[in-house]
Amino acid sequence: HSALTQPRSVSGSPGQSVTISCTGTSSDVGGYNYVSWYQQHPGKAPKLMIYDLSKRPSGVPDRFSGSKSGNTASLTISGLQAEDEADYYCCSYAGSHTPVLFGGGTKLTVL
Amino acid sequence: EVQLVESGGDLVQPGKSLRLSCAASGFTFDEYAMHWVRQAPGKGLEWVSGISWNSIYIGYADSVKGRFTISRDNAKNSLYLQMNSLRAEDTALYYCTKDSKSRPIGGIDYWGQGTLVTVSS
Repeated sequence: HSALTQPRSVSGSPGQSVTISCTGTSSDVGGYNYVSWYQQHPGKAPKLMIYDLSKRPSGVPDRFSGSKSGNTASLTISGLQAEDEADYYCCSYAGSHTPVLFGGGTKLTVL
Repeated sequence: EVQLVESGGDLVQPGKSLRLSCAASGFTFDEYAMHWVRQAPGKGLEWVSGISWNSIYIGYADSVKGRFTISRDNAKNSLYLQMNSLRAEDTALYYCTKDSKSRPIGGIDYWGQGTLVTVSS
């Protein structure tokens, strides 16, 4: 299994929307709705933002949403805020032998 | 409050072994799968290994298969990672993490602060 593919970086201005893609295969992203997204600020542990493709944990703003089309999952952040600037990682279930794959990470810059 | 506290990280020589431990509290440990996830300095997240609530379902990344062994002791609310034949590329911060489900699916809802493993001669 290869890591999931994410863009190295994305950017947007405050108030705008950005979408981060996460491309896998039919054996991982495309085959299951177990996609999760994590936010990581420098020097901090990652934080769960989306799980089971589109569910938000308690406390995560509804500006964050998840979706999927085919083998590509997406994280959309609307109404960008300065504190959203961070690294974002996608993660997918990939079957019983190697259950979990992460994406390479995307650096979000709020201009 | 969920707490995951890792220990055991150290500076070790290539080829040596190390055992990481994770003490869990604040949730019913024996109901959830657990994972180890690592992050090399300046790099992204890499899933290492996961284990189901009852230790029946276990998985490893290809990069550690045959060298690392994950285990858990539900009576002690503890997760372990036995790392053998360590290589320089195993140098990373190792996070103990909790899955939101009983099988290691990957919906990781809690992370520890990590323990640093450095492999160098």
